[in-house]
Amino acid sequence: NAGVTQTPKFRVLKTGQSMTLLCAQDMNHEYMYWYRQDPGMGLRLIHYSVGEGTTAKGEVPDGYNVSRLKKQNFLLGLESAAPSQTSVYFCASSYVISYEQYFGPGTRLTVT
Amino acid sequence: DAKTTQPPSMDCAEGRAANLPCNHSTISGNEYVYWYRQIHSQGPQYIIHGLKNNETNEMASLIITEDRKSSTLILPHATLRDTAVYYCIVSLLVTGRRALTFGSGTRLQVQP
Repeated sequence: NAGVTQTPKFRVLKTGQSMTLLCAQDMNHEYMYWYRQDPGMGLRLIHYSVGEGTTAKGEVPDGYNVSRLKKQNFLLGLESAAPSQTSVYFCASSYVISYEQYFGPGTRLTVT
Repeated sequence: DAKTTQPPSMDCAEGRAANLPCNHSTISGNEYVYWYRQIHSQGPQYIIHGLKNNETNEMASLIITEDRKSSTLILPHATLRDTAVYYCIVSLLVTGRRALTFGSGTRLQVQP
């Protein structure tokens, strides 16, 4: 099993550009999450999904959109990137009732 | 979710036990204590969890006080690879709709 994978690993955007981050998991997990982590801080939840075709807002959803068209994939979109969105983005997944979330390796995004 | 308080940093000598404290004085009766760690900006990794009783697995031991207002994560024989940020999190069992809330954690430095 590859676990949770994220694409791309690194990206540099100019202000106003758009992009999509892809998260994929092969553990048949129902729940998936997108977090962001700013320097020296803990993770903050952006959006999450409790199943295929469903999404919900987390703690810091503004400026982001998500989609869960397939159970194994969770996409995070930035329609018009801003410097404040410079961060490391982590995807995670879990079973419906679980003690453990499985995290991907992260995507480092810089917006100039 | 109950708030947690952890020291910002700790040092430990290689081969010795690392004892990481966590205060969670507002924990409710059905909330679990989870520990995760993050090694060098990788995705967080689950370590252990507990409700009331002390717990042990291949990675660590978790000691929860009888009043459940504090806990200690113990790495019995710390190695250089245990250098990481350790997060103590209090949350309900079902993590799907209540994603984990990561604070600033404790930065553990294992010294050779």
